[in-house]
Amino acid sequence: AQSVTQLDSQVPVFEEAPVELRCNYSSSVSVYLFWYVQYPNQGLQLLLKYLSGSTLVKGINGFEAEFNKSQTSFHLRKPSVHISDTAEYFCAVSDRAAGNKLTFGGGTRVLVKP
Amino acid sequence: GAGVSQSPSNKVTEKGKDVELRCDPISGHTALYWYRQSLGQGLEFLIYFQGNSAPDKSGLPSDRFSAERTGGSVSTLTIQRTQQEDSAVYLCASSFRRVQETQYFGPGTRLLVL
Repeated sequence: AQSVTQLDSQVPVFEEAPVELRCNYSSSVSVYLFWYVQYPNQGLQLLLKYLSGSTLVKGINGFEAEFNKSQTSFHLRKPSVHISDTAEYFCAVSDRAAGNKLTFGGGTRVLVKP
Repeated sequence: GAGVSQSPSNKVTEKGKDVELRCDPISGHTALYWYRQSLGQGLEFLIYFQGNSAPDKSGLPSDRFSAERTGGSVSTLTIQRTQQEDSAVYLCASSFRRVQETQYFGPGTRLLVL
């Protein structure tokens, strides 16, 4: 079975500083990788996804992520955060062989401080 | 266009009662998913419908949980004889048929079992 590990449950960061959220997944078979964001009291919104091709993926709101197959990682980065980036971020994987159901990591809560 | 909608947004019930949660997917989306978000378990897959195929029920935690999808559109998740551990946010998502397509999430139904 798939598993996704988000190494940091909480990440405090100052406004305009860079942030990196770490994600590792277990499967060695072909997978699709996703990052979703959940703002307070809202549903999940897709930030970006990796399907194939270039390992550097750019998403909305200035976020990007890099797929590293050898390390089974898909870390999310933003060079300069805003107060509005305060939210919970979820890494997820779908296994092509197991349909499209998503397996999520435990989430990383980002708190941007002024 | 309209996104995924869910109703009710909040539901409080007494232990032992049955509840029904509704999901209206995005028009034209043939795939529909239910997930559960709880403090103890994080985000978990529950069930997946794809067109007229038999649903993937592999994530349902017990036989008290069931779901149906009528006319390939609206879905209802039913929890019978609710228990306190069923308290969670129940999220619905929909997507187009292809495996790599993005899942769009609704705002969720927050269920509290007293």
